Amino acid sequence: EAQVTQNPRYLITVTGKKLTVTCSQNMNHEYMSWYRQDPGLGLRQIYYSMNVEVTDKGDVPEGYKVSRKEKRNFPLILESPSPNQTSLYFCASSWDSGNTIYFGEGSWLTVV
Amino acid sequence: QKEVEQNSGPLSVPEGAIASLNCTYSDRGSQSFFWYRQYSGKSPELIMSIYSNGDKEDGRFTAQLNKASQYVSLLIRDSQPSDSATYLCAGVSEYGNKLVFGAGTILRVKS
Repeated sequence: EAQVTQNPRYLITVTGKKLTVTCSQNMNHEYMSWYRQDPGLGLRQIYYSMNVEVTDKGDVPEGYKVSRKEKRNFPLILESPSPNQTSLYFCASSWDSGNTIYFGEGSWLTVV
Repeated sequence: QKEVEQNSGPLSVPEGAIASLNCTYSDRGSQSFFWYRQYSGKSPELIMSIYSNGDKEDGRFTAQLNKASQYVSLLIRDSQPSDSATYLCAGVSEYGNKLVFGAGTILRVKS
């Protein structure tokens, strides 16, 4: 079954404690991206990757890091989380940015 | 200015009516557009994609694209309560490197 898997699905953490949200896809897609979704603001892109070792900033990259060492994985790293990073996060993949995007189930992150 | 604009709603329609959802975009170079449906707390799911001017129909859904007016719409015929959700419009940027989403329109279909 084609899918994008992200973990954890739910997390409550404290300010400043580094965390990583993992993302893995089994469709051999080249394009992967991370979005955050906040009420009234819709989906905003954090980072995207067009292939292995190729990453670039989206619209709201501050406070986040990513890496793409393998085609299937695209982890999102919060080095020092702050309360304004409390949000619903989605990982997504596609053949390229102009094709159908497949979303993971979302990760609810709360930073206190 | 947001690159993809949608009326946040909520748009309320009675069951069986036609729901009309609208979206405008500012990037004249955008070529591909998508409509996603998102239920509360769930991930977005693709309903329609449209790349050319005109209409594209798929079952009860019709997407319309007018590049001259920079306007995309989604019509839902015979609306059902199960269509109640947030509808996200998205367009691919001119350089083809990212998909930009609107904030979404909440649709409520009342039985």
